[in-house]
Amino acid sequence: DAGVIQSPRHEVTEMGQEVTLRCKPISGHNSLFWYRQTMMRGLELLIYFNNNVPIDDSGMPEDRFSAKMPNASFSTLKIQPSEPRDSAVYFCASSPGTAYYEKLFFGSGTQLSVL
Amino acid sequence: SQKIEQNSEALNIQEGKTATLTCNYTNYSPAYLQWYRQDPGRGPVFLLLIRENEKEKRKERLKVTFDTTLKQSLFHITASQPADSATYLCALFGGNAGNMLTFGGGTRLMVKP
Repeated sequence: DAGVIQSPRHEVTEMGQEVTLRCKPISGHNSLFWYRQTMMRGLELLIYFNNNVPIDDSGMPEDRFSAKMPNASFSTLKIQPSEPRDSAVYFCASSPGTAYYEKLFFGSGTQLSVL
Repeated sequence: SQKIEQNSEALNIQEGKTATLTCNYTNYSPAYLQWYRQDPGRGPVFLLLIRENEKEKRKERLKVTFDTTLKQSLFHITASQPADSATYLCALFGGNAGNMLTFGGGTRLMVKP
């Protein structure tokens, strides 16, 4: 199994541009999570999906952030317009079941730099 | 306010010694606690899960304790090796910690040969 696959690995963009991060979860996993990691705030949950349905997006910072999961094998996190304070590492994770305490399998992350 | 505290300073130990990392939490009553390992440039990797009714859990050279009275978990690596050098994160779930995993800031472990 290839694990959770994220793309791109690195993204450098200018303030005001749209950024789209992509994630392919592990096949057969029912839950998908987007996290953001910074030195100051650590790992923060942005949104999670269960069976492709967004369950809780209370961690999404503001309306500039949106996430979709059109099918079981693909999810996107979009930032429009991007701002320098969005610079962080964005992780996607999946888990096999619907019991949310189950272990998470993380991707390698997307390092986002907004200039 | 709710807090999960892990020592932000790096822990430096000599190869072969036991490393002990601490996770303290305030104003949480979690049902589960997990530990993850994170290497530079990589996502966290799950290591162990312990439930509130379990005092201790072991896996190979790893041992985790969960003291709900002290509101503390200890993570031990025995016979540490340089390959164990990484950042270790604890995460809470359940009870009044909510239905999502909430992570601590992590502690960096450096094992010197």
